Formats: sequence, C-alpha cells, structure tokens
Amino acid sequence: GPKVLQIPSHQIIDMGQMVTLNCDPVSNHLYFYWYKQILGQQMEFLVNFYNGKVMEKSKLFKDQFSVERPDGSYFTLKIQPTALEDSAVYFCASSPRLGESQNTLYFGAGTRLSVL
Amino acid sequence: SQWGEENLQALSIQEGEDVTMNCSYKTYTTVVQWYRQKSGKGPALIILIRSNEREKRSGRLRATLDTSSQSSSLSITGTLATDTAVYFCATEEGNYAQGLTFGLGTRVSVFP
Repeated sequence: GPKVLQIPSHQIIDMGQMVTLNCDPVSNHLYFYWYKQILGQQMEFLVNFYNGKVMEKSKLFKDQFSVERPDGSYFTLKIQPTALEDSAVYFCASSPRLGESQNTLYFGAGTRLSVL
Repeated sequence: SQWGEENLQALSIQEGEDVTMNCSYKTYTTVVQWYRQKSGKGPALIILIRSNEREKRSGRLRATLDTSSQSSSLSITGTLATDTAVYFCATEEGNYAQGLTFGLGTRVSVFP
C-alpha cells in the first residue's frame, strides 16, 4: 500500500539544540500531519498542513515548532530550541482528502526523539 | 475501553482465540476508524465503520458501532501471532482539519 517514510528513525540531541524531523508523504496526497506520542500515552494531533500552510494546530504545537514543505522535498517538523518534554515519538501522516468519512490517514513508522 | 482509562489496556491470548476490545468516544462522530500499530511501525487503518452502520466485517475483523452510547468494539476471530499489536480507535471530533482523535489503545499479545 501507500507508504510514508520518516527519517531518521531515532534522533538523540541535547536540550536547547535544534532538530528537524523529515517526512516523505504519499506522493499524491495533499494533507500532511504531525502527531506526537509519549510512551504509553495517546497519540496526539500537533498540526495539519495543506497547500503550503498550517490549516490547524493544537495547543501542543508550541511556538518553538514549525513545519514546512518546500516544493518537491520533505515535509518537515522543526523544533528550535528543544526541551526535555519534547522527547516522544513523532508520527507523520498524509491523506488524499479531507472531510467526513474520508479522513483516513497513512502513517510513517515514526521518529523517536530523545532530548537529553 | 480506551477513552477514560489512565493506562494502556493489555490483553494476552493464545493463537486461535477470539478477542474483543472496546472504545468509547467523547463527541459526535460520523465514523470510527480502527488502526493497528505493530512494533516499530506506524498505525495502519484496518477497518472503518460509519454512523449509519451497526456492524462491519472485514475478514476476521468485526467492528460494531453504537452511536447512542458513543462506543465501538473491534473483534478478531481466530487470532494469529501476527495479530500482536496495539489497536487504536479514532474519530473525527467535528473539525476535520484536526485530523483524528485517537484512544489510548489496547495492546493485544497473541502467543502461539
């Protein structure tokens, strides 16, 4: 089936550093998402990105977070500066369309971010 | 059930047994999606049930939906070791742009 690729699978950084998580969404998909999952907890919505802009973001999407997808390249989540509480697995997802009964998401395998 | 619980639910069963897991959701939704997440992988949709359906089947999977009690269940019959995974229910809580709201999940371990 369609695949979403995330690079790297694991990233270890020191608190205060910048990190960029990369996602290669399904090629014909239009809507891109980031979710955050702390071990043993629910997967939580961070942001939805469409047509070069943030459509919706949650309160977890702090000012230190930013997303972009320059033409033809990865959909990225940048955190600058990182904090200890940013340690989690970050999942990228994409979907071909939006709306009732059609919001099926295709997820990558996640990037485990460890902030020391 | 998944919502309202503090910890991830965990079930251990033997191959061949049937298993049912439950999910309660908070707000009105027109569809409940069930995702399976295997170790080291992202969640993948396995079955979707709409609000005008009470039951949906797909192979060994059966989903039910009760909109009056805002609950859904997922059953797997004749489990296999390869069914070992965490199972999440997910809903759209009104604002489609917010993607899906996921439950805590149920960890199912199937032993040969």
